[in-house]
Amino acid sequence: DVKVTQSSRYLVKRTGEKVFLECVQDMDHENMFWYRQDPGLGLRLIYFSYDVKMKEKGDIPEGYSVSREKKERFSLILESASTNQTSMYLCASSAPGTGREKLFFGSGTQLSVL
Amino acid sequence: EDKVVQSPLSLVVHEGDTVTLNCSYEVTNFRSLLWYKQEKKAPTFLFMLTSSGIEKKSGRLSSILDKKELFSILNITATQTGDSAIYLCARGGGADGLTFGKGTHLIIQP
Repeated sequence: DVKVTQSSRYLVKRTGEKVFLECVQDMDHENMFWYRQDPGLGLRLIYFSYDVKMKEKGDIPEGYSVSREKKERFSLILESASTNQTSMYLCASSAPGTGREKLFFGSGTQLSVL
Repeated sequence: EDKVVQSPLSLVVHEGDTVTLNCSYEVTNFRSLLWYKQEKKAPTFLFMLTSSGIEKKSGRLSSILDKKELFSILNITATQTGDSAIYLCARGGGADGLTFGKGTHLIIQP
């Protein structure tokens, strides 16, 4: 069965801390995505990657960076966390070609920045 | 301006009712329209629509796409409390994954 695993379900951090959110998929998918989900705003794309060591900015990349050193792992980094980054973060992956739009999601990380 | 607009944003019905959720989208670079169900955790895939007028069905859920009028509907018949969830509509196309609507929060009362 398809599996996208996010390392933490809940995370509490302080303003200014460096935060790493990890995501691993076991489906050998080329494509991986990071979204954040906020009430009233829906899911918004932060960064995505179509290959190892490759990254592209989404709609709201400011304050975030990503790392993809291995195909199965896509990390989201908050260099200096701020309170407006309190949110639910969802990782997703998809197969290449015609399957690329069928995303498989992880269970999400609820991040609170105090 | 939102590229994907869902309506209603929230809906409360009684068990056994039929509901229709709406999703309109921008046509630019359109390739597909997807529906997801989100309970407390990960959104789970329901349907992917690429052709106009062809209904997709899964049990009590069905969906159809109208590429002329740029909208899709998701129907749920004989609703059950387990159908309570946020239903997400997303547009595929362009180079950057899916663009999501804000979702419809559906509550089914016993």
